[in-house]
Amino acid sequence: GEDVEQSLFLSVREGDSSVINCTYTDSSSTYLYWYKQEPGAGLQLLTYIFSNMDMKQDQRLTVLLNKKDKHLSLRIADTQTGDSAIYFCAETGGGYQKVTFGIGTKLQVIP
Amino acid sequence: DTAVSQTPKYLVTQMGNDKSIKCEQNLGHDTMYWYKQDSKKFLKIMFSYNNKELIINETVPNRFSPKSPDKAHLNLHINSLELGDSAVYFCASSLPGSGANVLTFGAGSRLTVL
Repeated sequence: GEDVEQSLFLSVREGDSSVINCTYTDSSSTYLYWYKQEPGAGLQLLTYIFSNMDMKQDQRLTVLLNKKDKHLSLRIADTQTGDSAIYFCAETGGGYQKVTFGIGTKLQVIP
Repeated sequence: DTAVSQTPKYLVTQMGNDKSIKCEQNLGHDTMYWYKQDSKKFLKIMFSYNNKELIINETVPNRFSPKSPDKAHLNLHINSLELGDSAVYFCASSLPGSGANVLTFGAGSRLTVL
């Protein structure tokens, strides 16, 4: 079945880069996503990448995909205090485009 | 206008009671979902409806019954509430096609069972 794993916590200083990592098991994954959840709110899509790409850049965000190792990462450049949140990796694969989420990585940005 | 709205936002109730959470989306999406987020923030899919038809039904106790009167609404009714049902329940919607399946989430309904 599908399984998505992430580390639980990351702490960085304001202005540094953050790198959040994710591994997944479903080799039929078609799209991989990063969502952000701020306290007391629902998840919001940050970006996604198609499985035949290995990189996608969107302003301060860079997504890297290593399909062979089933490893996905999200790099946030010049991390700001407003980036403090929980970041979820997710994937779709299989029927009905079911979206499976990782457990989330809590990013703490220290001023 | 809120894209995906859930009510109530907070719900506190006693064990054994029955309660409902409602969800509405005004995005014109075909597919709606219920996800459960536990205290450790783990997000697990419960149900999904596409145009009022149940398409995903994960291993969820029979006490949980979703209902979709039309494609813009998906409600969740829970019978005989248990302590372990305490969680935040998120509704989401999407328009899956041949591309990415991007979910739009509601703000969540925090259920506390005493």
